[in-house]
Amino acid sequence: DGGITQSPKYLFRKEGQNVTLSCEQNLNHDAMYWYRQDPGQGLRLIYYSQIVNDFQKGDIAEGYSVSREKKESFPLTVTSAQKNPTAFYLCASSSTGQQNTEAFFGQGTRLTVV
Amino acid sequence: AQSVSQHNHHVILSEAASLELGCNYSYGGTVNLFWYVQYPGQHLQLLLKYFSGDPLVKGIKGFEAEFIKSKFSFNLRKPSVQWSDTAEYFCAVNGNTGRRALTFGSGTRLQVQP
Repeated sequence: DGGITQSPKYLFRKEGQNVTLSCEQNLNHDAMYWYRQDPGQGLRLIYYSQIVNDFQKGDIAEGYSVSREKKESFPLTVTSAQKNPTAFYLCASSSTGQQNTEAFFGQGTRLTVV
Repeated sequence: AQSVSQHNHHVILSEAASLELGCNYSYGGTVNLFWYVQYPGQHLQLLLKYFSGDPLVKGIKGFEAEFIKSKFSFNLRKPSVQWSDTAEYFCAVNGNTGRRALTFGSGTRLQVQP
């Protein structure tokens, strides 16, 4: 089945530790995205990548880092510099055609930092 | 910068009632507009989208939305809701150039009572 796979579904980490969230897609999409979802705030863009080996900061990039070494993969690292990392993280992908910009989402990773 | 406003944060309806969820956007160019739905415990799914053409678009599960350019609005409607429509609904926008990542509204939680 084509789609986006995020792992793990739940993740617990101690404060001060870096943690990496996985996102893999087999939709052959050029663009991939990371969003953070908090109650009452909708989805906020952390980082995005429109092509392999290139990525751009979104609206709330501080405390996060990404890499895009392969078209299929876009891992997100939540660093110890992120002040409030506990949240639900969503990965998405889309094509980059002019009118085919519908984004497809993974199931999400719920990160809890204790 | 683009932005999306959803003014209804929490809506409670009885089954068979009509639904209209407001969405206003701010964007300086040609826009693509989307409504996504997130059912409890499930991933974000596309309800409908508008790229161009007929401003009244129909989506899945009997939902429709109307793009009114003069009002910068893209309200979601359904004539008769069901208990299974209980979910969170997100309006989103992107453009055809530059940053293609979706910008989301804060979401509307719909609760349908049987």
